[in-house]
Amino acid sequence: EDQVTQSPEALRLQEGESSSLNCSYTVSGLRGLFWYRQDPGKGPEFLFTLYSAGEEKEKERLKATLTKKESFLHITAPKPEDSATYLCAVQVPGNQFYFGTGTSLTVIP
Amino acid sequence: KAGVTQTPRYLIKTRGQQVTLSCSPISGHRSVSWYQQTPGQGLQFLFEYFSETQRNKGNFPGRFSGRQFSNSRSEMNVSTLELGDSALYLCASSLSGGPDTQYFGPGTRLTVL
Repeated sequence: EDQVTQSPEALRLQEGESSSLNCSYTVSGLRGLFWYRQDPGKGPEFLFTLYSAGEEKEKERLKATLTKKESFLHITAPKPEDSATYLCAVQVPGNQFYFGTGTSLTVIP
Repeated sequence: KAGVTQTPRYLIKTRGQQVTLSCSPISGHRSVSWYQQTPGQGLQFLFEYFSETQRNKGNFPGRFSGRQFSNSRSEMNVSTLELGDSALYLCASSLSGGPDTQYFGPGTRLTVL
């Protein structure tokens, strides 16, 4: 069964304290892995797409990496405005998407 | 380019009623997917439409249905509402539904009393 698991469920960081969020997946085939950011009461906002193991993408303080079984979202020197829920999703053959339940990140000033 | 729009943004209904939600995708996008998001379950896939045809379906009862029009706009209908249907309903569009990025709308918050 296709499955996506994110850890930790919640993470509290001091401003400037770098950390990583994990997304592990068990799927029949990977067409793409996606990271989104979601603020309360809003729709998910696209961050990155990764297609193959070894791929990395960066945007400001965020860097996403992909292996054959998991992806990491590294947050370097986070700021309070980075506080949000970060969602990971995988797309499998047949085009269906499976989402993890997210990591709720709080960055304390 | 305008993003994905969803209407209405908020709805309050009572048990047993039915509801129709609307989604307008990004211009040029032909695939529209619907998701239900609840605090306990996260994002659950409902169905995907491409070129007016349902291409994928999640594990939801038949009370949940949808359709897509020739201009790619999509509607989702829930009949005989139950308390457990209270959720944020999200629509996402992509170019073709292949290994494309999905872009989400702001969602419709449905409350069933």
